[in-house]
Amino acid sequence: DQQVKQNSPSLSVQEGRISILNCDYTNSMFDYFLWYKKYPAEGPTFLISISSIKDKNEDGRFTVFLNKSAKHLSLHIVPSQPGDSAVYFCAGWRAGSYQLTFGKGTKLSVIP
Amino acid sequence: GAGVSQSPRYKVAKRGQDVALRCDPISGHVSLFWYQQALGQGPEFLTYFQNEAQLDKSGLPSDRFFAERPEGSVSTLKIQRTQQEDSAVYLCASSFGGAGGNTIYFGEGSWLTVV
Repeated sequence: DQQVKQNSPSLSVQEGRISILNCDYTNSMFDYFLWYKKYPAEGPTFLISISSIKDKNEDGRFTVFLNKSAKHLSLHIVPSQPGDSAVYFCAGWRAGSYQLTFGKGTKLSVIP
Repeated sequence: GAGVSQSPRYKVAKRGQDVALRCDPISGHVSLFWYQQALGQGPEFLTYFQNEAQLDKSGLPSDRFFAERPEGSVSTLKIQRTQQEDSAVYLCASSFGGAGGNTIYFGEGSWLTVV
């Protein structure tokens, strides 16, 4: 039972264009959603989060959108840079819980 | 150190062998987490410590998996009688406060291959 789903294993985008990474969830009890970025042979690093009561959060080039009725969120990166090439994980967190629930990740390749 | 440190970085174990994976969290961090990441999957929660207390071990896949943090700092994840399905990256993470995701810092992981 996958509570967080990232249905696109990979995505290629031209440098300077927008990258859109998608995530769907089934658990309505999540209070926060988070995006993590992971380079090869490194641990995941936190990128941006959004509260379930918000529909948008922006941090520099990164914006996360949440559509609660569709149980869908997306991460927009604009403009995309080669250094953004990594695996991006979407995760859900329920307040009071000790665990994050991750999707399988999407590998983003930004082509110079 | 500046970040979460894990050792060994790479471990090859023969099936049936016991392994021990070490995690040195960021100094002063109260919370410590272990996650398992199989190939092509996202990290999956194993267990959580608040100081030396193991408050959640619901993610440990079997009684062959055991974790401890006896003095509230360094933690060890032990896997007894390893099986091929135990092959994965084991990620340790720590945070100063609770489990709010944006405060969690991950280590580079210990890559376990069981042959």
